[in-house]
Amino acid sequence: DTGVSQDPRHKITKRGQNVTFRCDPISEHNRLYWYRQTLGQGPEFLTYFQNEAQLEKSRLLSDRFSAERPKGSFSTLEIQRTEQGDSAMYLCASSHRSGSTDTQYFGPGTRLTVL
Amino acid sequence: QQQVKQSPQSLIVQKGGISIINCAYENTAFDYFPWYQQFPGKGPALLIAIRPDVSEKKEGRFTISFNKSAKQFSLHIMDSQPGDSATYFCAAFPTSGTYKYIFGTGTRLKVLA
Repeated sequence: DTGVSQDPRHKITKRGQNVTFRCDPISEHNRLYWYRQTLGQGPEFLTYFQNEAQLEKSRLLSDRFSAERPKGSFSTLEIQRTEQGDSAMYLCASSHRSGSTDTQYFGPGTRLTVL
Repeated sequence: QQQVKQSPQSLIVQKGGISIINCAYENTAFDYFPWYQQFPGKGPALLIAIRPDVSEKKEGRFTISFNKSAKQFSLHIMDSQPGDSATYFCAAFPTSGTYKYIFGTGTRLKVLA
């Protein structure tokens, strides 16, 4: 399967702990996105990479959140000092822009539960 | 602020019926409108998408209708099946200034057998 993969699929942590998630995009895609989705809501944009450059960050991405994409391949999203409000599904998507079309393909997500 | 409003929030349809989900946007600078299907515990999966230079696109049982002047677009699921029971999200991709999709709030569809 050559789709977007995410690891881990589920993470349970205690408040105050740090967590890190990994996303492996579709191999030929140079764009990578992180979204957060809470129950009953649509995905909310967090950040965007084009190759290794982080080009856009949402105001939702507080200073406790950091994302990297070394070498323009996989990406990591780290949350420091987790809070209960961080509990959500964290989705990664990748795309390769063709003309004016940017079709984003999503991974299965990492469900974070902060106790 | 860019927004996409989606309705209804939930929908129950009999097997074989037509499911219709509507979205409306408030910013003219969108040029790509995908629809995603999401099953519980899974990531959203691209279902069908349309660009504003066409008024309708059909793929199998799924059709997008697009009304540029009204800034509205809708998803029609013909001959709805229990396997279609999922949450559906519309999205809009801005022409410029940002790379993020703006998602609707989702419609939970249940198709009764």
